[in-house]
Amino acid sequence: DTAVSQTPKYLVTQMGNDKSIKCEQNLGHDTMYWYKQDSKKFLKIMFSYNNKELIINETVPNRFSPKSPDKAHLNLHINSLELGDSAVYFCASSSPGQRPGTGELFFGEGSRLTVL
Amino acid sequence: GNSVTQMEGPVTLSEEAFLTINCTYTATGYPSLFWYVQYPGEGLQLLLKATKADDKGSNKGFEATYRKETTSFHLEKGSVQVSDSAVYFCALSRPYSGGGADGLTFGKGTHLIIQP
Repeated sequence: DTAVSQTPKYLVTQMGNDKSIKCEQNLGHDTMYWYKQDSKKFLKIMFSYNNKELIINETVPNRFSPKSPDKAHLNLHINSLELGDSAVYFCASSSPGQRPGTGELFFGEGSRLTVL
Repeated sequence: GNSVTQMEGPVTLSEEAFLTINCTYTATGYPSLFWYVQYPGEGLQLLLKATKADDKGSNKGFEATYRKETTSFHLEKGSVQVSDSAVYFCALSRPYSGGGADGLTFGKGTHLIIQP
């Protein structure tokens, strides 16, 4: 059973289109994230939700809108796609840890977005 | 703000060589420190962690010790194998009070290549 699953795994689309990436976790975690990994493998946090509530919203264009219908799901919708949006997007969830900051992140396999 | 600095890659070694990947950090308070590994085509997975000063994390022959005095968390392995070829990320926690949303700040990653 996949702990953190995201779909689609590959997404090729034209500039200006709108697309969504879905993420689901079956680990019972309260906290979920979206990370963006660029072509140089640099990972940057985009959003974090805790129990459906937005906690972290880094400097991300408002074309990116996360939606968490319940604590097991965190979807990412992207409007008006641009060339620079091409990247691998990782969903993750975190175990609580014994105290804040000590939990482990569990990552999905990534969704490779290519904007033409 | 918090930041993590890792040695630039790629690092190329022969099988059975000794490995060190340097990691230093800047953070307020007392972060937890992590090493994550990303195998080709996969998401990141936790390799080891340390949650307080002088703790040593270890897993699969890899070790790292949380050194507060030098703000470092260097990854070491005594004898690497071809199967260790991957990208390694050093990271620190960003605990948020009241929410438990443990977003991580990642280093830029070090690509390790082990040759037979």
